[in-house]
Amino acid sequence: EAQVTQNPRYLITVTGKKLTVTCSQNMNHEYMSWYRQDPGLGLRQIYYSMNVEVTDKGDVPEGYKVSRKEKRNFPLILESPSPNQTSLYFCASSPYPIQETQYFGPGTRLLVL
Amino acid sequence: QKEVEQDPGPLSVPEGAIVSLNCTYSNSAFQYFMWYRQYSRKGPELLMYTYSSGNKEDGRFTAQVDKSSKYISLFIRDSQPSDSATYLCAMSAGALSSGDKLTFGTGTRLAVRP
Repeated sequence: EAQVTQNPRYLITVTGKKLTVTCSQNMNHEYMSWYRQDPGLGLRQIYYSMNVEVTDKGDVPEGYKVSRKEKRNFPLILESPSPNQTSLYFCASSPYPIQETQYFGPGTRLLVL
Repeated sequence: QKEVEQDPGPLSVPEGAIVSLNCTYSNSAFQYFMWYRQYSRKGPELLMYTYSSGNKEDGRFTAQVDKSSKYISLFIRDSQPSDSATYLCAMSAGALSSGDKLTFGTGTRLAVRP
């Protein structure tokens, strides 16, 4: 089944404790992206990657890191999480260069205490 | 002012009703317009895609774009309880391959009563 998977789905952590949210797609898509979704603010892009070893900042990259060492994986790293990073995170992928078909993962709900 | 405005709802309608969901935007460069549906505890899924102005129909769903008014709509005919979800509009000026990004509305929550 073609899909984007994220792990973990739910995570409670404390301020300053490094964490990684994994994202993997099995559709051989070149474009991958991370979003956060907050009430009243909608979906905002954090980082995106057009291909292996090519990443770029989105609208809200502060406090986040990403890497794209393999085509299928695009982990999101929070080196020192803070409470304002409490949010619902989505990974998405898209066949390149077709924009309209963006496949989203199921989401990761993060609570930073 | 946000680039994309969308009424958060909730919008509650009886089964079988025609539903109209709308977004307004301020960036006249937007030319790709999308509607995503998001069920509770799920990721968004693409419902409709329109390039530039005009209408697009897919089954019970019709997407309309009026670039002169900077206004897009999604119509759902014969609404069903399974249509209950949050509907997100999204738009961009260019393709992802150009480094452009999608700008999302905040979503409208729709409830269809049996």
